[in-house]
Amino acid sequence: SQKIEQNSEALNIQEGKTATLTCNYTNYSPAYLQWYRQDPGRGPVFLLLIRENEKEKRKERLKVTFDTTLKQSLFHITASQPADSATYLCALLNTGGFKTIFGAGTRLFVKA
Amino acid sequence: DGGITQSPKYLFRKEGQNVTLSCEQNLNHDAMYWYRQDPGQGLRLIYYSQIVNDFQKGDIAEGYSVSREKKESFPLTVTSAQKNPTAFYLCASSGFSTGSTEAFFGQGTRLTVV
Repeated sequence: SQKIEQNSEALNIQEGKTATLTCNYTNYSPAYLQWYRQDPGRGPVFLLLIRENEKEKRKERLKVTFDTTLKQSLFHITASQPADSATYLCALLNTGGFKTIFGAGTRLFVKA
Repeated sequence: DGGITQSPKYLFRKEGQNVTLSCEQNLNHDAMYWYRQDPGQGLRLIYYSQIVNDFQKGDIAEGYSVSREKKESFPLTVTSAQKNPTAFYLCASSGFSTGSTEAFFGQGTRLTVV
């Protein structure tokens, strides 16, 4: 069955460092991969999308890579800040786009 | 202000009762979705709708029902047949039919069985 795996353990880093989160998937060939941010008790907020034919995407301090051979995406936050502390969700979509599959998310804590 | 609104934020249900969660959007999106989120698990798709008067079951539809009589509205009913309804419910919409894959989420409804 289709499966997305994100680190269940929280990631703790020092302010100013780069945070790297991993998303691995199996039994799926997504057309799109997305990353969302979710704060406690709130709905997820879209951050970035990368397509299957793209290797890397950047937006301000965020960078996403997508390796369809390894079936893996890496999500980087450079110069991290305490305000970046949240849960980050990886999501996969096929070309139809209606059955988005979400990972459980990785909790990030950035210490001042 | 464009967005997606869920109500109520907190909901308590007695055993054997049906409850309805509201979801309204003013983004003019064709597609709407309901997800359930449990601690330590990803969002699981309950139902989705691509157009008015049409909806499809997701991966965990048993014990739930929906309607899509208006483009703006996609209410979810949690029936007494849902054996473990306590969870955080999220409604989302997207303009996928117009080329946008980004999903916009509401703030969620936390349902507790008492």
